[in-house]
Amino acid sequence: AQKVTQAQTEISVVEKEDVTLDCVYETRDTTYYLFWYKQPPSGELVFLIRRNSFDEQNEISGRYSWNFQKSTSSFNFTITASQVVDSAVYFCALSDPYGGSQGNLIFGKGTKLSVKP
Amino acid sequence: KAGVTQTPRYLIKTRGQQVTLSCSPISGHRSVSWYQQTPGQGLQFLFEYFSETQRNKGNFPGRFSGRQFSNSRSEMNVSTLELGDSALYLCASSLQERTDTQYFGPGTRLTVL
Repeated sequence: AQKVTQAQTEISVVEKEDVTLDCVYETRDTTYYLFWYKQPPSGELVFLIRRNSFDEQNEISGRYSWNFQKSTSSFNFTITASQVVDSAVYFCALSDPYGGSQGNLIFGKGTKLSVKP
Repeated sequence: KAGVTQTPRYLIKTRGQQVTLSCSPISGHRSVSWYQQTPGQGLQFLFEYFSETQRNKGNFPGRFSGRQFSNSRSEMNVSTLELGDSALYLCASSLQERTDTQYFGPGTRLTVL
């Protein structure tokens, strides 16, 4: 079954610390996509990244970086030098092209990140 | 390009009433999905529409329904509201394929009293 696990429910760090958000997934598909979304207190889910299962290169975008490891079915997200504005709930998601009652995006439960000044 | 818009942003209703929420996707996007988000259940999929056809439906009672118009705009309706329907309702649009990136709107926060 398709599943996404974000074991860290809440993380609290002090500004400028690095923080890694874990994401482990299960899928029966050989081709799939992984996503990260950010949900600030305002409520809107903001798309951060989409990763193809065939592309295991790490991605870096400013202070954000993603480590995709197929061997461990993980897609972890690291924020370097965290800032207060990074405080949000972060969701990892897995594509499911067959859809069904879970829809085409299987979400983890989310990790709430609090960055204190 | 304008993002996904949802109206209204906030809504207060009483039990037994019905409500209609609206979603306008990003221009050119043909797929619209709806989600319900509550503190206890997290993000739950409601339904997905593509070219005016419902492609998927989540495990919600028949009180929850939706539709999509020819311009890809979508509405969802909840009849006979219950207290447990209080939630943030999120709409997302994608270009077309099922594995396309979904872009979310700001949500409609529904409170049922």
